[in-house]
Amino acid sequence: GIQVEQSPPDLILQEGANSTLRCNFSDSVNNLQWFHQNPWGQLINLFYIPSGTKQNGRLSATTVATERYSLLYISSSQTTDSGVYFCAVSILTGGGNKLTFGTGTQLKVEL
Amino acid sequence: DSGVTQTPKHLITATGQRVTLRCSPRSGDLSVYWYQQSLDQGLQFLIHYYNGEERAKGNILERFSAQQFPDLHSELNLSSLELGDSALYFCASSSRGNEQYFGPGTRLTVT
Repeated sequence: GIQVEQSPPDLILQEGANSTLRCNFSDSVNNLQWFHQNPWGQLINLFYIPSGTKQNGRLSATTVATERYSLLYISSSQTTDSGVYFCAVSILTGGGNKLTFGTGTQLKVEL
Repeated sequence: DSGVTQTPKHLITATGQRVTLRCSPRSGDLSVYWYQQSLDQGLQFLIHYYNGEERAKGNILERFSAQQFPDLHSELNLSSLELGDSALYFCASSSRGNEQYFGPGTRLTVT
C-alpha cells in the first residue's frame, strides 16, 4: 500500500515562530488532507489539498503532486497550535477513498 | 464542529464484552468511514460504507462488524473485546468531493 512519511516527528517552538511540516508519499494520490489533532483528541480539518497551494489565516499548504510531497506552513505560532499534525492521503480505487495517515508531527508551542 | 456526530464519547467495558459505537454523518453525505487510533498502530482505516453498501475493508478484525442504515447513520460493533482493542474510534463522512470530515471520536477503554 501507499506509504506516508512525515517530518519532523517532534517540534518545539517559541510563540511567534514559524515552522514547516513535510509529508512525503509513495504513490500518486487523488486526495491529500492535513489535520490538527488537539489535546482533546479531536481531528480538525485544516486543508484538502491534492495539488496546488491554499492559505487559511496563519496556515498555508502546498502540495507538489508530481514530486509526491506536501508542506504545511505555520506562521506566528500560538500556544493553541500545539497538538499533532497529520497528513493523510488516498488513492482512487473501486472501493472508495480510504485515507492512509502518516505518523504525525507532534508540535508544542511554548510562551 | 464538523457536522459528524458520534456516541458515546467515552466507553469503559470489560474484556469479553460487546459494544456498539454510533455515527451520524454530515447532512447529505453518503459515505461513512471508520478509523481506529491506537498508541501502537496509529490511525488506521477499518471500513467504508456508501449509501448502505460496504465498499472497502481495511485492517478490521473478524470480531468487528459495521453497517450503514437507510437513514445513513452507521454503527460499529465490537465483540469479544480484548485489552488491545482500547483505542479512539473515529467516524468520518464525505460526499463526492472526497474530503473527509471526522467526528469527535469514541474513546473505548477495555479493562
